[in-house]
Parts: sequence; structure tokens; C-alpha cells
Amino acid sequence: QQQVKQSPQSLIVQKGGISIINCAYENTAFDYFPWYQQFPGKGPALLIAIRPDVSEKKEGRFTISFNKSAKQFSLHIMDSQPGDSATYFCAASRYGGATNKLIFGTGTLLAVQP
Amino acid sequence: DAGVIQSPRHEVTEMGQEVTLRCKPISGHNSLFWYRQTMMRGLELLIYFNNNVPIDDSGMPEDRFSAKMPNASFSTLKIQPSEPRDSAVYFCASSFSGEHQPQHFGDGTRLSIL
Repeated sequence: QQQVKQSPQSLIVQKGGISIINCAYENTAFDYFPWYQQFPGKGPALLIAIRPDVSEKKEGRFTISFNKSAKQFSLHIMDSQPGDSATYFCAASRYGGATNKLIFGTGTLLAVQP
Repeated sequence: DAGVIQSPRHEVTEMGQEVTLRCKPISGHNSLFWYRQTMMRGLELLIYFNNNVPIDDSGMPEDRFSAKMPNASFSTLKIQPSEPRDSAVYFCASSFSGEHQPQHFGDGTRLSIL
């Protein structure tokens, strides 16, 4: 029940295209869903996050779509650029114990071809 | 501002040796997390601290692993004795405590046990 399932494992998109990464969760107690971006040799960095009281959140070219009834959420990268090539992780957490314990998906390696 | 600082960046040692990984969190952050990243298991939370106190160590794989946080600006993760299966990238992250505060990751320590 603590798992977060992420797909696809890898994704190749042409420059200017839309990249879509999907995640699904089981624990309905999760109340925070961030996406992290990781470049080679670096730690993950928070990209965008959503709470389940909204169905969509947009920041620049990055949008999270959230479907509470289906227990699914996705990251859309519009106008994908070669600089977006990285590994993307979805995560979920439930606030407790004075902090937030993140459960990460398995990651998606995105390659944007010029 | 300095981010989370981890040392060493790379560590290669022989099986059976003691390994100590170090982390300096962002000043003012009072939650600290240790993660392990492998291809097989992805990003796993090992332990987290709040106000220097260990809150949840359920992710620590076995007694060979131990973590301490003697003060607000320093934490260590120790493996003794090390084994080849401990080879991974170990990340430290910090955040403010409280609901859904973003976690800031260091650049990790790549550990290889021969």
C-alpha cells in the first residue's frame, strides 16, 4: 500500500513535443504529490508539487494532472527541450511524525532529441 | 546560500571496512533525511531526523547501518562492516519541519564496496 508505480521507465521525445509521465498510488492517505528532476551526478530537485484538492497545477512548461478517484497523477512537459533530459521521479507523502516521509516512484529517464 | 553538502563525493573501499558518510544540512532546516539510490530499488528512505532526534529508522537495512545527528549542522551515516551489496549512491536531504516542506537534496556520495 506504500508503493508508487511510475511509467514509462524511459521516454524519448522530439524537441518541441510533449513528454508525459504517469504515476499511480494505492494509499488514499497520501496528501502531497511532488515531482523531482535529477540530472546525472546530482541529487533530485523539486520540480512541482500538487495536493489532492486540485486537479491540475501548472508552472511554466510543467503541469501536474491529478485524478483522485483513479489514484493517478501525471507530469506533462510542454515544448520539451534538450535541457529537460533528466530522470524524473514522482513521489507521494502523508504528513506525520513532524515531517514528510516521501515514497518515490522508480523514475523515468527522459531524453529529448534536438 | 549553500545547499546540502555531502562528503566524500566518491568512496571506494574493500569489503569489511568501515564507511562513514557525512552531511551538512541547509542552515535553519530541522529535518534531515538519508536516502539510498540503486538501479534495482530506486530511491529508498533509510532514516530521518527531526530536531536532531531520529524519528523513523525503519528503512535502515540492517544493524550494520547506523546514523547520528550530534547537532543541527552535521549528520553521519556509518556502515560497519561494509559489503559489496551496500554499493549505491547515498543522498542526504534536509527541509524545514512542518507540513509538506520541500526536501533539498545534496549531490550524494557514490559508494563502491569491492
